Amino acid sequence: DAKTTQPTSMDCAEGRAANLPCNHSTISGNEYVYWYRQIHSQGPQYIIHGLKNNETNEMASLIITEDRKSSTLILPHATLRDTAVYYCIVRLDSSYKLIFGSGTRLLVRP
Amino acid sequence: DTEVTQTPKHLVMGMTNKKSLKCEQHMGHRAMYWYKQKAKKPPELMFVYSYEKLSINESVPSRFSPECPNSSLLNLHLHALQPEDSALYLCASSPHSSGANVLTFGAGSRLTVL
Repeated sequence: DAKTTQPTSMDCAEGRAANLPCNHSTISGNEYVYWYRQIHSQGPQYIIHGLKNNETNEMASLIITEDRKSSTLILPHATLRDTAVYYCIVRLDSSYKLIFGSGTRLLVRP
Repeated sequence: DTEVTQTPKHLVMGMTNKKSLKCEQHMGHRAMYWYKQKAKKPPELMFVYSYEKLSINESVPSRFSPECPNSSLLNLHLHALQPEDSALYLCASSPHSSGANVLTFGAGSRLTVL
């Protein structure tokens, strides 16, 4: 599976958009990009995933560059409850393996 | 039911004890996973069961013994653990592997080995 690179930490103000970047320059054509988050002492929570196209759901939007070498997770109106570690993961569509990298620790400030 | 339930939430055991962690899901998922998470580190994959058969073992020491008695249940049997095995143990399930395969995680079992 391709490796991902994320900033160690970020912060944003409550009510503003949080844009979390992820680099996955070695991604192959049949690898999906997944985003999960983990709020302190809880299990990871699925947010969104995509293959080639941009995706949006009730939690977030996922923007994937045309060359697929990077992506951005957008939380449109961050709240204090969005403070968490956010993991960007690239995974083969035929694989059971979901391997977590170091993630980005997002702090939403009041 | 869209949950993965793990019991117990907390477990303290000595190095000579035998204990088990349990995981249950009723979403009809056919893949189940065990992850281990140390403090301030990302979750590490341990085992994957697919259709009740062990599919992946990430070179986990034999003192950890997984079991999948049926499609809804996953156990992790613990024996002769070391203090460094203290961690949060996470169970997850997913419907299948082909295409997008979203994992649903439980809240975890926090294990302390004395």
